[in-house]
Amino acid sequence: ETGVTQTPRHLVMGMTNKKSLKCEQHLGHNAMYWYKQSAKKPLELMFVYNFKEQTENNSVPSRFSPECPNSSHLFLHLHTLQPEDSALYLCASSQEGVGGRETQYFGPGTRLLVL
Amino acid sequence: AQKVTQAQTEISVVEKEDVTLDCVYETRDTTYYLFWYKQPPSGELVFLIRRNSFDEQNEISGRYSWNFQKSTSSFNFTITASQVVDSAVYFCALSEYTGNQFYFGTGTSLTVIP
Repeated sequence: ETGVTQTPRHLVMGMTNKKSLKCEQHLGHNAMYWYKQSAKKPLELMFVYNFKEQTENNSVPSRFSPECPNSSHLFLHLHTLQPEDSALYLCASSQEGVGGRETQYFGPGTRLLVL
Repeated sequence: AQKVTQAQTEISVVEKEDVTLDCVYETRDTTYYLFWYKQPPSGELVFLIRRNSFDEQNEISGRYSWNFQKSTSSFNFTITASQVVDSAVYFCALSEYTGNQFYFGTGTSLTVIP
């Protein structure tokens, strides 16, 4: 079993839909992250949660809404997205969320297409 | 300004050739960390290595080796005797002790031709 799992792996949605991405880590970590990966661009950090508390919101539009009910689960709720939001969304976790001092472990990502 | 630069967008090599992926970084912190990740077609970023700024020793792990040079702000990655399974996108990343996030390069897509 991989350390960080994400579901669904692929998602197609219309601009008026509401959907959620799920991430689960099995590593006993306390920090979780959402990244957006668009073609030809560096990974963009979206949100950071440390011990269930949001510690970073990297100026992400409100149509993306994260939720972290416990240290093992992280959700990204999507609503009224735009076609430019189509990308690979990656979840990661690390031991304690002390910034970059820790190695982050990534899930396989959810490939999102917004029509 | 981009903190991590991977100038090579795409590289193709024939199997068994050696290949070096370049990474140049920029930071004012004296304590920082450098990483390499591999992203195969499946999408998951696989952690390869983490180096601290105060440890300039080069590292070798099987066919992989890393050359860290603070004088040139570079952290290059060499694959010896490349194999088809090495085909992937490779990302270099930087994090700073005082910050809270990783800075990723744009990645180098490596194709190993059988």
